[in-house]
Amino acid sequence: QQQVKQSPQSLIVQKGGISIINCAYENTAFDYFPWYQQFPGKGPALLIAINPDVSEKKEGRFTISFNKSAKQFSLHIMDSQPGDSATYFCAAREGYNQGGKLIFGQGTELSVKP
Amino acid sequence: DVKVTQSSRYLVKRTGEKVFLECVQDMDHENMFWYRQDPGLGLRLIYFSYDVKMKEKGDIPEGYSVSREKKERFSLILESASTNQTSMYLCASRIPNTGELFFGEGSRLTVL
Repeated sequence: QQQVKQSPQSLIVQKGGISIINCAYENTAFDYFPWYQQFPGKGPALLIAINPDVSEKKEGRFTISFNKSAKQFSLHIMDSQPGDSATYFCAAREGYNQGGKLIFGQGTELSVKP
Repeated sequence: DVKVTQSSRYLVKRTGEKVFLECVQDMDHENMFWYRQDPGLGLRLIYFSYDVKMKEKGDIPEGYSVSREKKERFSLILESASTNQTSMYLCASRIPNTGELFFGEGSRLTVL
């Protein structure tokens, strides 16, 4: 079963626009929610992450919004740039007693048009 | 600079062949992971290892095995490759109980 569901699968945004990617999860024992960014030919790399005790985290143009009651979190990319074109994965970490593994969403391929 | 190296970037194998994918990390991390990446399915965990000689099944271990004889090296083995194992394979490592995985650049395997 897919424990972390991500949408949309692909996204096209104009330069300067806002990119929004959404994720939903089932397991309330997840304790850490990172986003990874992957450029073609490269492995994923950590972009930004949030703990479930806060509702928002911002780093530059990237913001995670977290809704614990709805079991949803999203990535917002403000002033999107062509250099942001990549595949983005949300993830959730199982609690320590469950092994602490990261469970990934299906990925979103973002294309920012100049 | 942290580094996870996957020795084979591209492989083409025939059905039934035994395939070894090698991964080496230079960060002295205890935890290592093998994921497979397929379009629309994201990253799915095949096997992971908390430390040397240890291994645990992930979500899709069927058809795979692993070896962790040294801390820095984690190998993924396909005993008898099948066409449905054509995929991108990603190795990662991390410090235990932290969230950040460090990934290699991937090994793209095609099974004919």
